[in-house]
Parts: sequence; structure tokens; C-alpha cells
Amino acid sequence: EPEVTQTPSHQVTQMGQEVILRCVPISNHLYFYWYRQILGQKVEFLVSFYNNEISEKSEIFDDQFSVERPDGSNFTLKIRSTKLEDSAMYFCASSMAGDNTGELFFGEGSRLTVL
Amino acid sequence: GQNIDQPTEMTATEGAIVQINCTYQTSGFNGLFWYQQHAGEAPTFLSYNVLDGLEEKGRFSSFLSRSKGYSYLLLKELQMKDSASYLCAVVDSNYQLIWGAGTKLIIKP
Repeated sequence: EPEVTQTPSHQVTQMGQEVILRCVPISNHLYFYWYRQILGQKVEFLVSFYNNEISEKSEIFDDQFSVERPDGSNFTLKIRSTKLEDSAMYFCASSMAGDNTGELFFGEGSRLTVL
Repeated sequence: GQNIDQPTEMTATEGAIVQINCTYQTSGFNGLFWYQQHAGEAPTFLSYNVLDGLEEKGRFSSFLSRSKGYSYLLLKELQMKDSASYLCAVVDSNYQLIWGAGTKLIIKP
């Protein structure tokens, strides 16, 4: 069964360092998303991506964040200068539908710990 | 503002039935999702309701009343593996997905 894969599963970094989280969405999906979930809190939308550009982004997704689809399979989230409050689980998701009315397929997540 | 309310935690017994409620106040409505999330894992899709009524899928059923801004997830014949958080999420009039904080379901033998 097709699945979304994410790497790394866990990353520990120092405050101020750059981090890149990688995702391989399901191959025939067209819409890609990044969400984050701080431990014990709700899922928070960061950004959606379609046709090689950002389609929506939340207030959380400030200038420190960027996304890229460098090739036909990978979808990356970059945090330029990490802060302590960036510590969270980051989930990549993909979907066939772009209006949020379709099932989201989530990856297993990348746990980011900023020290 | 937009708001989704779910109980924080519920406890039920293996083999029993449990109903997890979700009420929402959003700017418009274009559907409601239920996702299951085991601790430390990704959310997985359970159901999507856009019309009023009950939709049954095996041991899980989801109900929607748009006029009341209300949904519930019904889990029958509970198994220990059903211990998880259950997330309610609503698609608003701008097709934004608004997430609830989730209900942690604890199943006891």
C-alpha cells in the first residue's frame, strides 16, 4: 500500500541551526502539506503546496520556514534558524484533493528537538 | 472565532461501546473528519461526513448534524488497540481544515 515516508524520524539540533525535514509523498498525489504537533497539543497546519508553489500557509509559517520540491519525489521543509519553540513532531501529508475535503495521508512524522 | 470542542479524555471498557462527541462553531461548513492517532504516531483517517446522518464502517460509525454543529464517533466492541486519541476536524467555508484538540480514549480490560 502506498505511503508517505519521512526522514529523519528524530533530529536533535542546537538553537539557531538550520534543519531540513524530508518527505516523499504518495506518487500520484498532487497536494502536499506540512503540519506540526507540539507534544500533547493539537495538530497545527503549516503550509500546503501544489503545482510547485505554496497554495496556503498559516501564521506559524513565517520567514524562518520554507518548502521545496527539489525533484519529482521529495518535498522538504526547511527551518532556517531553529528556536526552542520549534520543538515538535512535524508531519508531512499528501492528498488527491486540494480543498481539504479529501483524506489526508500522513507520514510517520519527524520529531524535532531543539536544545 | 472558530472553535471545535471535544472531551479531553474518556475511559471505556474492552468490549463496550463508546461515543466521542464533537461540537463545532466555524465560519461555514464543508465537511467533518475523524482521525485516529496512536501515541507517537501519525493521524490516520477514519471517516468523512458532509451530509447529515450516520455512516457506518465496521465497528466505527460517525454521525453528523449540521444544524446542531455536532458530530459523534461511535466505537463498538472496543478492543485494547482502540486506545488512542480521536481527532475531529472541520472544513470551513474557506476550505481550511480546523482541528480539534482530540479526545484521548483509554480502554481498560
